[in-house]
Amino acid sequence: GNSVTQMEGPVTLSEEAFLTINCTYTATGYPSLFWYVQYPGEGLQLLLKATKADDKGSNKGFEATYRKETTSFHLEKGSVQVSDSAVYFCALSDLGGGSNYKLTFGKGTLLTVNP
Amino acid sequence: GAGVSQSPSNKVTEKGKDVELRCDPISGHTALYWYRQSLGQGLEFLIYFQGNSAPDKSGLPSDRFSAERTGGSVSTLTIQRTQQEDSAVYLCASNQGSSNQPQHFGDGTRLSIL
Repeated sequence: GNSVTQMEGPVTLSEEAFLTINCTYTATGYPSLFWYVQYPGEGLQLLLKATKADDKGSNKGFEATYRKETTSFHLEKGSVQVSDSAVYFCALSDLGGGSNYKLTFGKGTLLTVNP
Repeated sequence: GAGVSQSPSNKVTEKGKDVELRCDPISGHTALYWYRQSLGQGLEFLIYFQGNSAPDKSGLPSDRFSAERTGGSVSTLTIQRTQQEDSAVYLCASNQGSSNQPQHFGDGTRLSIL
């Protein structure tokens, strides 16, 4: 079956620090990959996506590149802000031999950015 | 435009009672998904509806859980004889029904079983 492994948190950084959150996956087909963000007290929001190998998704200064050879989709940002404090989820969507494009999520990484 | 709408936003009920959770997807989205978010289990898939096809119920944790989608739009998730382990945030999402289209999530229903 499909699975997503992302780095355990929590992650605490100072403002303007560099961020990396690692994500690796196992899938039976050719998945699409997503990063979702959940700000305190809010629902899940799409942050970025990549649908095929070597695609780079980017949004709000965050980037992630779909690496098929290492089955990875690591999230990076060059300079974090206090407002980036949230829980980040890596996810994949793949048929997995069935007919359901359900998302398989990692466990989430809590990021706290201090001023 | 309007996003995915869920109601109620919070529900507190006694153990053994039945509850109904509602999801109104984005207009035109053919696929609708229910997930559960709990501290111990993270985000888990529950059930998937696509157009007029039979739903994929493979994620429902027990036969106390059921869901329907009327007219290809609004969906209701029903939990019968609630147990304390059902306490979680129930999330609904919708999209066009393909793997490369992101799912758009509602704000969820926080269910607390006393």
